[in-house]
Amino acid sequence: EAGVTQSPTHLIKTRGQQATLRCSPISGHTSVYWYQQALGLGLQFLLWYDEGEERNRGNFPPRFSGRQFPNYSSELNVNALELEDSALYLCASSLIRGGETQYFGPGTRLLVL
Amino acid sequence: SQQGEEDPQALSIQEGENATMNCSYKTSINNLQWYRQNSGRGLVHLILIRSNEREKHSGRLRVTLDTSKKSSSLLITASRAADTASYFCATVIHHGNQFYFGTGTSLTVIP
Repeated sequence: EAGVTQSPTHLIKTRGQQATLRCSPISGHTSVYWYQQALGLGLQFLLWYDEGEERNRGNFPPRFSGRQFPNYSSELNVNALELEDSALYLCASSLIRGGETQYFGPGTRLLVL
Repeated sequence: SQQGEEDPQALSIQEGENATMNCSYKTSINNLQWYRQNSGRGLVHLILIRSNEREKHSGRLRVTLDTSKKSSSLLITASRAADTASYFCATVIHHGNQFYFGTGTSLTVIP
């Protein structure tokens, strides 16, 4: 069974540009979560999608947005990039809504210059 | 904030020794989970303990949960160099599906 996949693995952008990160959940999983992990810090919850709808978002500005497609894959978009957006962005999926185990992808490392 | 706090922030031990790390949280939870992260990669789920459980084992891992003290501990017995990683606790609150991750304990196991 394939795990959670993310693309690209690395992304380099300049300040003010837009970044698009992609995530494919484990087959059969309907919930997708996005987290930001800045260097040396813990995971900060960004967004939760389930069945195509945004269910919850963390304390991030509106320039962080995303969507979930009918096949449950997801995109995270970050507009007007700032230097402090440089981080590892992790996607996770879970089988059911309800706080059970999350399965993580390898992450996308975003560097904003 | 609900976010858990792991203690210690960093731990260095010799191979074969036991490693204990702790997690404290602030509000009632549905369950608590421990994850491992190797060197800036994705997190790997280790073990889940529900709020009505007090102890759980999985291989060399032993997790305890004390809901009265709002704390959990992860014990790794007979540590190996391959256990070197960052360990995070995640709390899942009632009436929600949001995970709150702690800041992590960085474990180094010296061969």
